[in-house]
Amino acid sequence: QSALTQPRSVSGSPGQSVTISCTGTGSDVSGYNYVSWYQQHPGKAPKLMIYDVSKRPSGVPDRFSGSKSGNTASLTISGLQAEDEADYYCCSYAGSYTWVFGGGTKLTVL
Amino acid sequence: QVQLVQSGAEVKKPGASVKVSCKASGYSFTSYGFNWVRQAPGQGLEWMGWISIYNHNTNYAQKFQGRVTMTKDTSTSTAYMELRSLRSDDTAVYYCARARTIGELDNWGQGTLVTVSS
Repeated sequence: QSALTQPRSVSGSPGQSVTISCTGTGSDVSGYNYVSWYQQHPGKAPKLMIYDVSKRPSGVPDRFSGSKSGNTASLTISGLQAEDEADYYCCSYAGSYTWVFGGGTKLTVL
Repeated sequence: QVQLVQSGAEVKKPGASVKVSCKASGYSFTSYGFNWVRQAPGQGLEWMGWISIYNHNTNYAQKFQGRVTMTKDTSTSTAYMELRSLRSDDTAVYYCARARTIGELDNWGQGTLVTVSS
């Protein structure tokens, strides 16, 4: 199972919007509506931000949104804030109780 | 609230085994499965495997098959991950994560650093 493809880094200024892409295949991203996104600050455990492509857990700001088109899922963060600076990972279910992560994207808030 | 508390850091020699524990509290342990994920220094997240809490079903990433065993003890609400024949490139932080549904790993342990060094 190959890792999902994410850009290594993205950046944006406070208040702007950024989108992080996550490209997979028909065996994972486009095959199931089970894409999730995780935020990880340095030295901390990952935190669930989006699940089932576009659902937000309680407590996650509505500035975070998810979508999917074909083999590519996306995480959009609007109204960027300094505390959004972190690494972001996508994850997709790939069938038969297997999962695959993306390589991670470092978000820099300028 | 849901808490997953993992065992402490380990230092192992190449060829040895390590067993990491993940003690759950704040919810019914038998309601959700677990995934195990690792992160090598400076690298991304890597899925290792899944264990069902309903039965003893497991599924491991092909990369770890034959070297990893995931188990659970419902009497102590604890999940375990054992990795054998350790190599230096197994040095990583190992996380347990609760699978509330197939699509969401909603709670994570704090991570356990395993260092493999001669």
